[in-house]
Amino acid sequence: QKEVEQDPGPLSVPEGAIVSLNCTYSNSAFQYFMWYRQYSRKGPELLMYTYSSGNKEDGRFTAQVDKSSKYISLFIRDSQPSDSATYLCGANRGGYNKLIFGAGTRLAVHP
Amino acid sequence: DGGITQSPKYLFRKEGQNVTLSCEQNLNHDAMYWYRQDPGQGLRLIYYSQIVNDFQKGDIAEGYSVSREKKESFPLTVTSAQKNPTAFYLCASSLDPSSYNEQFFGPGTRLTVL
Repeated sequence: QKEVEQDPGPLSVPEGAIVSLNCTYSNSAFQYFMWYRQYSRKGPELLMYTYSSGNKEDGRFTAQVDKSSKYISLFIRDSQPSDSATYLCGANRGGYNKLIFGAGTRLAVHP
Repeated sequence: DGGITQSPKYLFRKEGQNVTLSCEQNLNHDAMYWYRQDPGQGLRLIYYSQIVNDFQKGDIAEGYSVSREKKESFPLTVTSAQKNPTAFYLCASSLDPSSYNEQFFGPGTRLTVL
C-alpha cells in the first residue's frame, strides 16, 4: 500500500465549478500536508501547506486535513481555465524526513 | 532572480551511455533532491542531500549516482545500469529540511532513451 494515495483522474469541470481534490494516507505519524500544482512540462509549485488537522484558506483555495480519517482535501472555488493542471498532495512527518507525494490528479477546467 | 535551474531541458541518450543532468540553485538552500516522474506514478525520490559532501539514497537509487561538492550544485548521472531511464527528472531544494520541508522545484529535464 502506498503511503499517500491519490486518484489520478482526469477530472473535467466547467468554469466556475467548485473542485474537490482528495488524498488518503496511511502513516499516522504524518504532521505536515502540502498541495503542489504542476502545469504541463513544468516543475511543481507549492500552493498550500497545513500542519496537523484543520482548514487553511488562501483566496479561492482551501486545504483541509482530517487526521482522524487520514484524509486530505483541496477545494477550488470559482474554478478557472488557468487552474487546469496536475495537483499533487504530499505529506511528511516533519524533522529530517522525506516528503511523500501522491500520484497527482489531472484537472481540466473548460470554458 | 533566485531559483533552481536545470539543464538541459530535453536530453536524448543512446542505450549504454551515461548522461549527467545539471541542477543549480542560488537560494542558499542546504538540502537538495532528485525526483523521477512517470505518468500515473507521481514523484519518486532518487537521491537527496542535506549538506555538502553528503547524500543519501532515496527509494529508487539503482542506476543513478550523484555528487554534492558545492552547496549550489547537485548533478545527477543516469548510468547505463538504469534499465528504463526515459522519464521527467525534477530537482528540488529546501531551506530547512527539519520542519515541514517546503521544497522548491526546478523546471525539469525530459530524458529519452533512443
